Amino acid sequence: EPEVTQTPSHQVTQMGQEVILRCVPISNHLYFYWYRQILGQKVEFLVSFYNNEISEKSEIFDDQFSVERPDGSNFTLKIRSTKLEDSAMYFCASSRSSGYNEQFFGPGTRLTVL
Amino acid sequence: GQNIDQPTEMTATEGAIVQINCTYQTSGFNGLFWYQQHAGEAPTFLSYNVLDGLEEKGRFSSFLSRSKGYSYLLLKELQMKDSASYLCAVRDRVGNTPLVFGKGTRLSVIA
Repeated sequence: EPEVTQTPSHQVTQMGQEVILRCVPISNHLYFYWYRQILGQKVEFLVSFYNNEISEKSEIFDDQFSVERPDGSNFTLKIRSTKLEDSAMYFCASSRSSGYNEQFFGPGTRLTVL
Repeated sequence: GQNIDQPTEMTATEGAIVQINCTYQTSGFNGLFWYQQHAGEAPTFLSYNVLDGLEEKGRFSSFLSRSKGYSYLLLKELQMKDSASYLCAVRDRVGNTPLVFGKGTRLSVIA
């Protein structure tokens, strides 16, 4: 069964450093999302992406964040200058354009900012 | 604003039935999703309701009342592996739009 994959599974970085989180969505999906979940809190939407551009972003997704689909398979989230409060689990998700449009989540990247 | 409420924790016995409630107040409504999330893992899709009524899928059923802004997830014949968090999420607009999640209900299944 096809699945969303994410790398790395765990990233530790120093405050102020740049990080890039990588995702490979399910191959026939057209809509891509990033969510984050701070430990013990709810899943929060960051950004959605369709047709090679951002379709929607939340207040969390400020100028420090960017997304890119550099080729036909990868979908990346970049944080330019990490802050302590960026420590969280980051989930990538993708969905089709038909049916329930349910979102399929990847296993997540645990980002720890020291 | 968007508000989705679920109980924080529940405990149930193996083999029993448990009902997890969710109430929502959102600016719009275009479907309610239930996800299961084991600790440290990704949410996995369980069910979807967009019309009022009950949707059944094996041991799991989900109910929706749009007029009451209310849904529940019913788990039958509980197994130890059902111990997880159950997330209620609402899509508030038409299309492939983001989901708004509740805080989740942590279910513990005991012997």
